[in-house]
Amino acid sequence: SQELEQSPQSLIVQEGKNLTINCTSSKTLYGLYWYKQKYGEGLIFLMMLQKGGEEKSHEKITAKLDEKKQQSSLHITASQPSHAGIYLCGADGSGNTGKLIFGQGTTLQVKP
Amino acid sequence: DADVTQTPRNRITKTGKRIMLECSQTKGHDRMYWYRQDPGLGLQLIYYSFDVKDINKGEISDGYSVSRQAQAKFSLSLESAIPNQTALYFCATSGTYNEQFFGPGTRLTVL
Repeated sequence: SQELEQSPQSLIVQEGKNLTINCTSSKTLYGLYWYKQKYGEGLIFLMMLQKGGEEKSHEKITAKLDEKKQQSSLHITASQPSHAGIYLCGADGSGNTGKLIFGQGTTLQVKP
Repeated sequence: DADVTQTPRNRITKTGKRIMLECSQTKGHDRMYWYRQDPGLGLQLIYYSFDVKDINKGEISDGYSVSRQAQAKFSLSLESAIPNQTALYFCATSGTYNEQFFGPGTRLTVL
């Protein structure tokens, strides 16, 4: 079965710094989804990537999909305290099954 | 109003009790899911439903059951709760491109 591994597991950055979170799949990626979660709350859908080489941005968050490497990266530019939370990647394990598997999450703290 | 709602938001119960968690959605999606989240383990799929008559077990369905009462409603039951079912439970729906939309979660504690 497919597994997603996120790195790092946790991250503490100073406000204003850039950071990158990676999500690596054990199998081919058919679609990659990024979510953000505030502690104890629901997941907020950030972005979806479907094609190799695809890159999407929303405000200061950019996500890329490298199909060959079976990897996606999430980059935050000029981090702010509002970016703090848990970031999770999800993938459709077998291609359009409608079921997602998720990485274990990356906890981000942003120090003012 | 939220598109995916869950009730209750918090629940404390005792071992052996039956408990039901409810989920409603106004997104008009056919597909609905139940997950549990434990610290450091990400999300694990309990059950999923692609329409009212199509219900499937996920990775960790033992000890759980579900009911899809209508397109908009999907309930999760713990027939006899045990302490290791203490977790955060999420309901979700999925759209055209399989992107999933989550409810706010139910924090369940089994004593």
